[in-house]
Amino acid sequence: QKEVEQNSGPLSVPEGAIASLNCTYSDRGSQSFFWYRQYSGKSPELIMSIYSNGDKEDGRFTAQLNKASQYVSLLIRDSQPSDSATYLCAVWGGATNKLIFGTGTLLAVQP
Amino acid sequence: EPEVTQTPSHQVTQMGQEVILRCVPISNHLYFYWYRQILGQKVEFLVSFYNNEISEKSEIFDDQFSVERPDGSNFTLKIRSTKLEDSAMYFCASTSRGADTQYFGPGTRLTVL
Repeated sequence: QKEVEQNSGPLSVPEGAIASLNCTYSDRGSQSFFWYRQYSGKSPELIMSIYSNGDKEDGRFTAQLNKASQYVSLLIRDSQPSDSATYLCAVWGGATNKLIFGTGTLLAVQP
Repeated sequence: EPEVTQTPSHQVTQMGQEVILRCVPISNHLYFYWYRQILGQKVEFLVSFYNNEISEKSEIFDDQFSVERPDGSNFTLKIRSTKLEDSAMYFCASTSRGADTQYFGPGTRLTVL
């Protein structure tokens, strides 16, 4: 069974701090990696995509990929209360051509 | 900015009834997907559709489910005889290339009574 694993949280950080979210995946052939944000009752909204090893920065967000360790992370700098949501890690490629989602990590940013 | 749209936003139906969930993918996208999310659980893949045929389906997507692209814009998911356990949020997604970002619609909340 191809899996994507995340700590369900909640991860609680104070406003202005760095939030660090982690994800591991089992299919070594996976090619594309995504972080989505999901507010309660809403659909997944893309935050970042990353396709190659290393870091990718976009504003307050940095995605990190390490294919050797099968590990993806998302850093959120200067966390805001509006960042409070569930963050979904999703992986594409390898044995199947579909997005496989983790269970998500609930982030709570405390004012 | 182009977006995926879905109708209805909420569908209530009786067990055993047929439902059709509708999606309009982003216009230049070629790959279309349905996912579902049971309350409190993770987003699960149902089916992918490319070049007017199913390219992959999950074990959830049994004979009660079907998909169709009846014209150049709509993409539908039909559940022939709904069960209580079909109650979930159903998301449509599309992408221009398989490996690229999938953009999700707002979802249809299906409630089976």
